[in-house]
Amino acid sequence: AQRVTQPEKLLSVFKGAPVELKCNYSYSGSPELFWYVQYSRQRLQLLLRHISRESIKGFTADLNKGETSFHLKKPFAQEEDSAMYYCALSAGNNRKLIWGLGTSLAVNP
Amino acid sequence: KAGVTQTPRYLIKTRGQQVTLSCSPISGHRSVSWYQQTPGQGLQFLFEYFSETQRNKGNFPGRFSGRQFSNSRSEMNVSTLELGDSALYLCASSLFQGSYNEQFFGPGTRLTVL
Repeated sequence: AQRVTQPEKLLSVFKGAPVELKCNYSYSGSPELFWYVQYSRQRLQLLLRHISRESIKGFTADLNKGETSFHLKKPFAQEEDSAMYYCALSAGNNRKLIWGLGTSLAVNP
Repeated sequence: KAGVTQTPRYLIKTRGQQVTLSCSPISGHRSVSWYQQTPGQGLQFLFEYFSETQRNKGNFPGRFSGRQFSNSRSEMNVSTLELGDSALYLCASSLFQGSYNEQFFGPGTRLTVL
């Protein structure tokens, strides 16, 4: 079955520290993976997608097919990075989005 | 450009009733997807409409239905409400069909079933 796992419900780091939000997926085909973010009192929005191989707001994510992971990383966390982060997988013939339960990132001053 | 709008924002219903939620996509977007969000299950895909046709469906009972109009606005209906239907219902629009396209989310409708 297709599944997305975000093992950490809450991640707390200090400003300037590196941050890694973990995402593991289960899918036998060729996946398309995304990170969506929801800042306080804002709407859910796309942060980045693996196919773009881009860096957004200093965040990067690399698809590791061997480990079936798509971890989100940032070398130096900022307070404005505090938000809820969701990993999502577009998979299957119908390509519907399958979501992880999310990780709440708190960046402390 | 105006974002995705959802009405109403909050709704309280009792078991057995039915409810209709509305979603207006970003102008020019032809795809509308609906999601249910609960603390225990997270975000779960309900269905996607494109050009007035349901293109994709999640694993929800037939009590959950939807439609899309010629102006791309979409409605979602839940009949015979159950306590477990209490959730935040999110609508998202995108330019094209398919979840690999960037989804633009609305603020959601908070449904409480008593």
